[in-house]
Amino acid sequence: SFVLTQPPSVSVAPGKTATITCGGNNIGSKNVHWYQQKPGQAPVLVISYDSDRPSGIPERFSGSNSGDTATLTITRVEAGDEADYFCQVWDNRIDLLYVFGTGTKVTVL
Amino acid sequence: QLQLQESGPGLVKSSETLSLTCTVSGGSISSNNYYWGWIRQPPGRGLEWVGSIYYSGSTFYNPSLKSRLIISVDTSENQFSLRLTSVTAADTAVYYCARIGSGNLHSWFFELWGRGTLVTVSS
Repeated sequence: SFVLTQPPSVSVAPGKTATITCGGNNIGSKNVHWYQQKPGQAPVLVISYDSDRPSGIPERFSGSNSGDTATLTITRVEAGDEADYFCQVWDNRIDLLYVFGTGTKVTVL
Repeated sequence: QLQLQESGPGLVKSSETLSLTCTVSGGSISSNNYYWGWIRQPPGRGLEWVGSIYYSGSTFYNPSLKSRLIISVDTSENQFSLRLTSVTAADTAVYYCARIGSGNLHSWFFELWGRGTLVTVSS
C-alpha cells in the first residue's frame, strides 16, 4: 500500500517558520490534503489540493507538492499552531482509497 | 451550518460488535456532491480510514477491516452507521465521522468532522 512518511516532531520558535514534510513515492503526481489536530479535538482541514486554503484558514498556512515530497509551511508561527499535522492522499487505483501520513507534532518553543 | 455527531456505546466487550451512528444536522445526507466516512484514531496514534458510503448506499471499505465491517445509510433519519464485528483491543480508538468532499475536482478529502467518540474494547 502507499505509505506517507512524516517527521514525528518539529519544533519552532514563535514568529518563525515551521516546515512539515510528507514523503511518498511520486507523491507529486497526487493531490495532498493537510489536517491540523489540536489535543482532544477532531482534525481540521487546513490545506486541500496541495496548496488551497479553505475558508477561515489563515494565509500563514501554505502548501506545495513535487517529486517525492509534499510540504506544509506555517509562517509567523503562533502558540495556537501547536498541534499534530497529518497529510492525506486519495487514490482510486489502490484498495486503500484514503491514506494518511504518520503525523507530525509541532511544538512551539 | 452542517454538523456531524457520533453516538454509540463507549465500551464494547472483546469478540462482540461495535456499533456507531453518525447524525448529520444542518444539511442533507442525500447530496450528490459528498460521501460520508468513518475514520478512527487509536489513543496516541495516527489516523486510519475505516470506510465510506454514498447516500445511494455504495460503500468503500478499508481492506484490512472489510471482512468485519458494514457501513449503512438511513436517508430518512439523515444518519449513517458503522458495525464492526469480532472486535479486539486493537479496535480501541476514537471514531470520527466526516463529510467527504472533492471541491468539484478529482480528489477526495475529509472536509468536515464530528467531534469523535472513544470506543474501548474490554476483555
